[in-house]
Amino acid sequence: TQLLEQSPQFLSIQEGENLTVYCNSSSVFSSLQWYRQEPGEGPVLLVTVVTGGEVKKLKRLTFQFGDARKDSSLHITAAQPGDTGLYLCAGGRQTGANNLFFGTGTRLTVIP
Amino acid sequence: GAGVSQTPSNKVTEKGKYVELRCDPISGHTALYWYRQSLGQGPEFLIYFQGTGAADDSGLPNDRFFAVRPEGSVSTLKIQRTERGDSAMYLCASSLAGGPPDTQYFGPGTRLTVL
Repeated sequence: TQLLEQSPQFLSIQEGENLTVYCNSSSVFSSLQWYRQEPGEGPVLLVTVVTGGEVKKLKRLTFQFGDARKDSSLHITAAQPGDTGLYLCAGGRQTGANNLFFGTGTRLTVIP
Repeated sequence: GAGVSQTPSNKVTEKGKYVELRCDPISGHTALYWYRQSLGQGPEFLIYFQGTGAADDSGLPNDRFFAVRPEGSVSTLKIQRTERGDSAMYLCASSLAGGPPDTQYFGPGTRLTVL
């Protein structure tokens, strides 16, 4: 059972388009992290958000943590083929447990 | 510096056999995590070590799964009497201190296939 649900599960868009990926839960998290995973590799951290309402930008990627710290979004502007990959959100629980709870993943394909 | 390494990269075994998967964390990282990722899903937590001890093993699915980290560095995930349902990518991650939101660095994984 995964605490975090991501939508959409699959997304195929043309180069230059914008997109938003959502990560939702009924649980509160002390932190929310976004990873990107390439085939045959482990996930690579993109960003960590810890404060409700926090917005972080990484070049063309914008990450937002929900006010109640139950949800997050990832927005990509002017997508490029190099953005293709599996995007995973992962939450750290308030109870102090150090393990991450991963979302179901969004597989993004950007077509040149 | 070197990242997290895992060996083997691929392991094919027969149902009922015993397997060991190895993880070499980043030097100096005290926290080490094992996750399992099934096809098309996100990773699921198995066990977390702080130093030599297992601080949280609540994610291990049953007593066929066991992990050790005897010297606080390299860790081995051991699976007894493997079943076809154990087939998955096994990911190891390490972090500097282990306190949330500590950044976890993942290895490339071991793809286990149980025939």
